[in-house]
Amino acid sequence: EDQVTQSPEALRLQEGESSSLNCSYTVSGLRGLFWYRQDPGKGPEFLFTLYSAGEEKEKERLKATLTKKESFLHITAPKPEDSATYLCAVRGGGSQGNLIFGKGTKLSVKP
Amino acid sequence: DGGITQSPKYLFRKEGQNVTLSCEQNLNHDAMYWYRQDPGQGLRLIYYSQIVNDFQKGDIAEGYSVSREKKESFPLTVTSAQKNPTAFYLCASSTPPRVSVEPQHFGDGTRLSIL
Repeated sequence: EDQVTQSPEALRLQEGESSSLNCSYTVSGLRGLFWYRQDPGKGPEFLFTLYSAGEEKEKERLKATLTKKESFLHITAPKPEDSATYLCAVRGGGSQGNLIFGKGTKLSVKP
Repeated sequence: DGGITQSPKYLFRKEGQNVTLSCEQNLNHDAMYWYRQDPGQGLRLIYYSQIVNDFQKGDIAEGYSVSREKKESFPLTVTSAQKNPTAFYLCASSTPPRVSVEPQHFGDGTRLSIL
């Protein structure tokens, strides 16, 4: 069964304190892994797509990496505005191509 | 700007009542999706449609119904058969998965509560 596990559930950082969020996955034939940011009361906002092991993508203070079993979202020198819930989703090789979502990591960055 | 519009933002349902959530997109996407989000849980797929006039059940379709008469619109009806409808409902759209591996784009959700 396809599965996505995110850890930790919640993470509290001081402004400027770098850290990483983890997304472990089990899927038949990974077609893509997606990272989203979700603010309270809003819909998820797309951040990155990773397609194959070894791939990396960056956007401002965020960097996403992918291995054959997991993905990391590295946050460098975070600011309070980076506070949000970060969601990971995978798409396997099934014919319908639906996404499987993790439960998310709630990040709080204190000034 | 292209995007997905969900309405209303807040909705209240009485016992035994059916309610309909609206989702409209102007991204020219063929595929549209409805998810339910509960605290501490991942997004769960209710229904999806890859083309007009066709839709399939997702993982938790019981108590819900949809229609797809236009490319731009994918309304979700929460029926009285759904005994625990209180949740945050999200609509998304994308290019069809059979065509490409593109991300889904989301609206800002409808929060449904029981009166």
